Amino acid sequence: DAGVTQSPTHLIKTRGQQVTLRCSPKSGHDTVSWYQQALGQGPQFIFQYYEEEERQRGNFPDRFSGHQFPNYSSELNVNALWLGDSALYLCASSHKTAHYGYTFGSGTRLTVV
Amino acid sequence: RKEVEQDPGPFNVPEGATVAFNCTYSNSASQSFFWYRQDCRKEPKLLMSVYSSGNEDGRFTAQLNRASQYISLLIRDSKLSDSATYLCVVNPPGAGSYQLTFGKGTKLSVIP
Repeated sequence: DAGVTQSPTHLIKTRGQQVTLRCSPKSGHDTVSWYQQALGQGPQFIFQYYEEEERQRGNFPDRFSGHQFPNYSSELNVNALWLGDSALYLCASSHKTAHYGYTFGSGTRLTVV
Repeated sequence: RKEVEQDPGPFNVPEGATVAFNCTYSNSASQSFFWYRQDCRKEPKLLMSVYSSGNEDGRFTAQLNRASQYISLLIRDSKLSDSATYLCVVNPPGAGSYQLTFGKGTKLSVIP
């Protein structure tokens, strides 16, 4: 049974560019959350998607946007990349009835140069 | 005040030692509390939930003090494999609050 899968695993982008990160939730899970983890910090909540809609959003600018597809997979898009966007981006999935039972993917490490 | 604050660490302890991690949270209405473990360059994994009555899982004991807004994790008989960063996690209150708020983490190194 596959857990949460994220792609790509590593990515290098230039300031001002746009990036799309992808996530496939664990089988049986219908909710996807995205977190940003800067070096030496704990993960910070970006947003959560359920039923193809953004259900809750953390304190991140509009440059961060997302999407959830009918098969529950999700994308995180970041526009106009800053150096400060360099971080590990984690996707976590859960079931709507057990939203504390999060399973995290191994993340995408984004470096902005 | 930060929403979730943890001991800055790092903690370097010998095998077999007992180590305690402390955490405080700012929002007294928070409802759910957890400890996650994160190995170097890996994803966080749920170690245990924390209940008001306290709970134990093998060598690990978690305690919650709602009056002091304080959470703790005790690891007895430390193993080399316990070396990791331990993250204190709180689910903030509010209708429809589905996010987890993480502390900065405390790094533990268990030394042979």
